[in-house]
Amino acid sequence: GESVGLHLPTLSVQEGDNSIINCAYSNSASDYFIWYKQESGKGPQFIIDIRSNMDKRQGQRVTVLLNKTVKHLSLQIAATQPGDSAVYFCAENIGRNTPLVFGKGTRLSVIA
Amino acid sequence: GAVVSQHPSRVICKSGTSVKIECRSLDFQATTMFWYRQFPKQSLMLMATSNEGSKATYEQGVEKDKFLINHASLTLSTLTVTSAHPEDSSFYICSARDQESSYEQYFGPGTRLTVT
Repeated sequence: GESVGLHLPTLSVQEGDNSIINCAYSNSASDYFIWYKQESGKGPQFIIDIRSNMDKRQGQRVTVLLNKTVKHLSLQIAATQPGDSAVYFCAENIGRNTPLVFGKGTRLSVIA
Repeated sequence: GAVVSQHPSRVICKSGTSVKIECRSLDFQATTMFWYRQFPKQSLMLMATSNEGSKATYEQGVEKDKFLINHASLTLSTLTVTSAHPEDSSFYICSARDQESSYEQYFGPGTRLTVT
């Protein structure tokens, strides 16, 4: 289930189940979105991206869905594994040559 | 490809001293580099954007005289934390944008700064 901690919400899932991590982005003008995975003490690791002219994109075991109407982004991880345990951030780009702005993040905890 | 390195990976310094963090793009040229700061259990917050050969652009609330940024070449940007205080203790992460791209940012592994 999902719980809200002091700063980061946490999602706990059983190994082998599918995970869905949600993100509400801030700017309706954003045209590029990325999901990052961050393990403790490391920098963000690129998972998957999507441009605003798409509503779905699939990678290996991951799918990103974009709903521009409600400014919502989700990351679906199929058959979640212990190695997927990390903090996941969505990030948005408002336009070309602008920096990425990060969302608050969600901690994914996989229960073996 | 698209590897960004940071040095040092972790540093401990005494209050009042200055510390420099380097960010390098190893296999591409980065016209633009970004510096982020991350406190425990929080997200990455953009501090500044640096463009090669020009002055950095700082985000609101970030003191430019305290966090000195230099982007002297297309592969190197440095962040100097001057007169560090314990509240500056944080995880500092840089990212670089390939000059061929308008969107992708490649992130370094981060530098853990502890001010005692």
